[in-house]
Amino acid sequence: GENVEQHPSTLSVQEGDSAVIKCTYSDSASNYFPWYKQELGKGPQLIIDIRSNVGEKKDQRIAVTLNKTAKHFSLHITETQPEDSAVYFCAASMSNTGKLIFGQGTTLQVKP
Amino acid sequence: GAVVSQHPSRVICKSGTSVKIECRSLDFQATTMFWYRQFPKQSLMLMATSNEGSKATYEQGVEKDKFLINHASLTLSTLTVTSAHPEDSSFYICSARKAGGNNNEQFFGPGTRLTVL
Repeated sequence: GENVEQHPSTLSVQEGDSAVIKCTYSDSASNYFPWYKQELGKGPQLIIDIRSNVGEKKDQRIAVTLNKTAKHFSLHITETQPEDSAVYFCAASMSNTGKLIFGQGTTLQVKP
Repeated sequence: GAVVSQHPSRVICKSGTSVKIECRSLDFQATTMFWYRQFPKQSLMLMATSNEGSKATYEQGVEKDKFLINHASLTLSTLTVTSAHPEDSSFYICSARKAGGNNNEQFFGPGTRLTVL
């Protein structure tokens, strides 16, 4: 089955700096890669996603890149703000099952 | 929108009792709902896939007789934790996939914190 590895587990940056979180997946049939932000005691919120026919997608300060050959994808947050502090999860999914397999999560701390 | 609600948000129960958690899609119909469990400082682990009108599909290692799932309508799925024990204490999160929508995208509920004494 699919396996998703996420690094780093914790990331601390200064406000205004960029943050990068990386994930690798094992199943080449995966074709949907969402990123979620989870605040303490809440459910995960989709922040951006990418499909396997696209290499890069950007939404304001957030961007995601996908390298299908290497089977890895990354989340880039620019101009970080304290409110970006949360746990971020990557996930991978195949369209035939729709099941999401999550990475281990990254705790991002943005210091003011 | 694509709003998913869960009820209750928190529940405390005694060991041996059963607890039912509801997951509702408020503004869309969901042919498929998923149930996840999340222990503190860990990732989300898929427990089961719930399809409207049919039996749920459980992930390996998840006891179907302990975690009863019912998806009776296109907007409601329920998870019942039967004979709960302290090790069942966790954060339970559901998600829903839109009927006729993007096959992959899931909309998550706010979660239910279960504490078994």
